[in-house]
Amino acid sequence: NAGVTQTPKFQVLKTGQSMTLQCAQDMNHNSMYWYRQDPGMGLRLIYYSASEGTTDKGEVPNGYNVSRLNKREFSLRLESAAPSQTSVYFCASSVLPQTQYFGPGTRLLVL
Amino acid sequence: GENVEQHPSTLSVQEGDSAVIKCTYSDSASNYFPWYKQELGKGPQLIIDIRSNVGEKKDQRIAVTLNKTAKHFSLHITETQPEDSAVYFCAASMDSSYKLIFGSGTRLLVRP
Repeated sequence: NAGVTQTPKFQVLKTGQSMTLQCAQDMNHNSMYWYRQDPGMGLRLIYYSASEGTTDKGEVPNGYNVSRLNKREFSLRLESAAPSQTSVYFCASSVLPQTQYFGPGTRLLVL
Repeated sequence: GENVEQHPSTLSVQEGDSAVIKCTYSDSASNYFPWYKQELGKGPQLIIDIRSNVGEKKDQRIAVTLNKTAKHFSLHITETQPEDSAVYFCAASMDSSYKLIFGSGTRLLVRP
């Protein structure tokens, strides 16, 4: 039982490039989330998916898109990366809305 | 919307001493308050949580207290050990909400 897994672990992009961050969970959770973590700012919700087939915006959705591929997988896409998107990205999942379990993170550097 | 403030930003204690981290929230409708521990290079790990119908919850050396009137909650770690060194985050949420609002984190250092 791996919990929440994320790929890649680390990525360097040039401004304007695109990429997709992958997340999968094997806990049969209904809900999945994407957060970004910046120094001194805690974690901020980008998008979430309450259940398979639904997605909603969080606090900081601009510049991102998401896809809930199936119950297990939830991807985050940066269409045209900007230096302001340099951050650590965490995926999380939950059975009920509130009790969330996090993955190990993806460290993204945009030059 | 909800806002969560967390203090202190850094905390250094001697091994064996107690550590207390405090958070305040702004929305009286919030009723779920989890605490996460994040070790270097890892994702946040849920260590304890409390709901608004409970004033205190304990799990071994960790306890959380909630004061709904004052809208603040605290994490208490007793008999601290070096492996308690990490960044701790508080968060707040409302019933049926999928949005956890996090505090800015406290870096705890336990000196051997």
